[in-house]
Amino acid sequence: EVQLVESGGGLVQPGRSLKLSCAASGFTFSNYYMAWVRQAPTKGLEWVASITNSGGSTYYRDSVKGRFTISRDNAKSTLYLQMDSLRSEDTATYYCTRPGDYWGQGVMVTVSS
Amino acid sequence: NTVMTQSPTSIFTSVGDRVTMSCKASQNVGINVGWYQQKTGQSPKRLIYWASNRDAGVPDRFTGSRSGTEFTLTISNMQAEDPAIYYCLQHNSYPYTFGAGTKLELK
Repeated sequence: EVQLVESGGGLVQPGRSLKLSCAASGFTFSNYYMAWVRQAPTKGLEWVASITNSGGSTYYRDSVKGRFTISRDNAKSTLYLQMDSLRSEDTATYYCTRPGDYWGQGVMVTVSS
Repeated sequence: NTVMTQSPTSIFTSVGDRVTMSCKASQNVGINVGWYQQKTGQSPKRLIYWASNRDAGVPDRFTGSRSGTEFTLTISNMQAEDPAIYYCLQHNSYPYTFGAGTKLELK
């Protein structure tokens, strides 16, 4: 059974950093692109970043370029999202997804002073 | 960036009705469109991939279609478990973009 389990969310002050993790199981992680999608409270879905199966290429939405870094450790079957210089508008539930057939349960990130 | 214009914003319907919603892409996205269902408090679930292919386990009352840059999700026989927000997603080019969603509710 495919499982994606996010962790690392929480309350953080503006300008600070947070790192999300997504532990994958039930499939050969290194064979798949992976992505992060977020959803602000009461808002729609927003694609954040993607990474190729080898980790050699990454893609970001404009609003997070230069602040967020997607990465992966194929040996650990884990996806990461390093979020720096956080802003209030980054407040959202962040979902890890194997594009787009499997999704994690989501982890909440709140950026507030 | 490709804009996915989704309509209508909301639909009120009854059990047994036929429901249609659409997404229009601002440029050619081929068949690289999926449809997602998100129920309250849950993660999104993909229903349709490559514009018209139903995911495993998705009831056959859900159908996706494409005409050029317009994509349609049809529910042929609305059921009590179908109220949700439905989103389209284009994954033809980065940045991937979702439609704003169609909220489907029962009268």
